[in-house]
Amino acid sequence: KQEVTQIPAALSVPEGENLVLNCSFTDSAIYNLQWFRQDPGKGLTSLLLIQSSQREQTSGRLNASLDKSSGRSTLYIAASQPGDSATYLCAVKGDNDMRFGAGTRLTVKP
Amino acid sequence: EPEVTQTPSHQVTQMGQEVILRCVPISNHLYFYWYRQILGQKVEFLVSFYNNEISEKSEIFDDQFSVERPDGSNFTLKIRSTKLEDSAMYFCASSLRGPGDTQYFGPGTRLTVL
Repeated sequence: KQEVTQIPAALSVPEGENLVLNCSFTDSAIYNLQWFRQDPGKGLTSLLLIQSSQREQTSGRLNASLDKSSGRSTLYIAASQPGDSATYLCAVKGDNDMRFGAGTRLTVKP
Repeated sequence: EPEVTQTPSHQVTQMGQEVILRCVPISNHLYFYWYRQILGQKVEFLVSFYNNEISEKSEIFDDQFSVERPDGSNFTLKIRSTKLEDSAMYFCASSLRGPGDTQYFGPGTRLTVL
């Protein structure tokens, strides 16, 4: 059974700092990995999708990498802003379902 | 920009009652999903739906749950006899090409079972 873990659970950084969020998964037989952002009491916003055959994806200040063999993905956020404050979730698509991590709660202080 | 919508935003019901949660996926999307998130816990996959059939479901999605696409725009999740532990945020999502494609989520329906 696929297990998805995100470290750290919470992170607080000053504005402007670059940061890395980590996601690990136990079963490397995946179709893709997706990073989401969740604001308090709201739905999930898709940030980046990496297919299993890809190594990384970039969108603006965000860069996500995938190392399927080691069961790891990272989300890199450059020049963080207070508006980036949210919970970031990674989700792994396997054969029968999509498994989510518990998320990293990011606070960017002005 | 097209978005997934869900109604109601909050539903309160008594234990044992039936509830129907409604979703309008993005109009040209073909694949539809339901997820739930119990307060303080991970988001959990419930079911995926394509071509008027369930394509995948989790162990959570038992006989108490059913999904339907009653017309060309709505996608519903029915819980036949609600239990206290069904209290959660329920998210609908849709994707254009399939499970390997980006999934777009609605804002969720908060279900409270008393």
